[in-house]
Amino acid sequence: QVQLVQSGAEVKKPGASVRVSCKTSGFPFSKYYMHWVRQAPGQGLEWMGIINPGTDTTSYAQKFQGRVTMTRDTPTSTVYMQLSSLRSEDTAVYYCARDGAYREFDLWGQGTLVIVSS
Amino acid sequence: EIVLTQSPGTLSLSPGERATLSCRASQSVSSNYLAWYQQKPGLAPRVLIYGATGRATGVPDRFSGSGSGTDFTLIISRLEPEDFAVYHCQQYGSSPYTFGQGTILEMK
Repeated sequence: QVQLVQSGAEVKKPGASVRVSCKTSGFPFSKYYMHWVRQAPGQGLEWMGIINPGTDTTSYAQKFQGRVTMTRDTPTSTVYMQLSSLRSEDTAVYYCARDGAYREFDLWGQGTLVIVSS
Repeated sequence: EIVLTQSPGTLSLSPGERATLSCRASQSVSSNYLAWYQQKPGLAPRVLIYGATGRATGVPDRFSGSGSGTDFTLIISRLEPEDFAVYHCQQYGSSPYTFGQGTILEMK
């Protein structure tokens, strides 16, 4: 079955780091770029960056440069997004999404809620 | 960075009516790489339209996209009850990929 399954909700304190996983299945892991997008409560969607699982190359939105790291684990077909130095404004649902045949985001994970609170 | 502005912010219509949603870009979208997504409460977005006019797999033909350059439109020809949701436009022609703020389509 073609799907993306993300890890569960997290509660973190300010200054901490969080790592969210996205396990892929049903398609060739190395052939599809993967994106990370977040959505703060009641807000719009915000693109964070992209990883090429085949080559392990990444590109991040400037806003997150220095705080975000996207990685992959080929044996488990899983991509990860780590965000460090968390602040309350990072409270959001984080999604992974597949880069489709026409470069649209054609498949999404179910989302992972990250709450940053002291 | 390309800023996308969606209008209206909220659209109140009845089932059977026609919905017209607008997305305007602050600069031309490369190769008309403009997508539309539908999002229902508590769920991830779902792609409807790619490349400004291409309908994604499984999307009903009452959804259509048009436009080029900086002005894009999503039309839902006859609203069904399940169409009431939030709609986002997105440009993926140049990094950073950006989204509009969304249009809420609510039932009148």
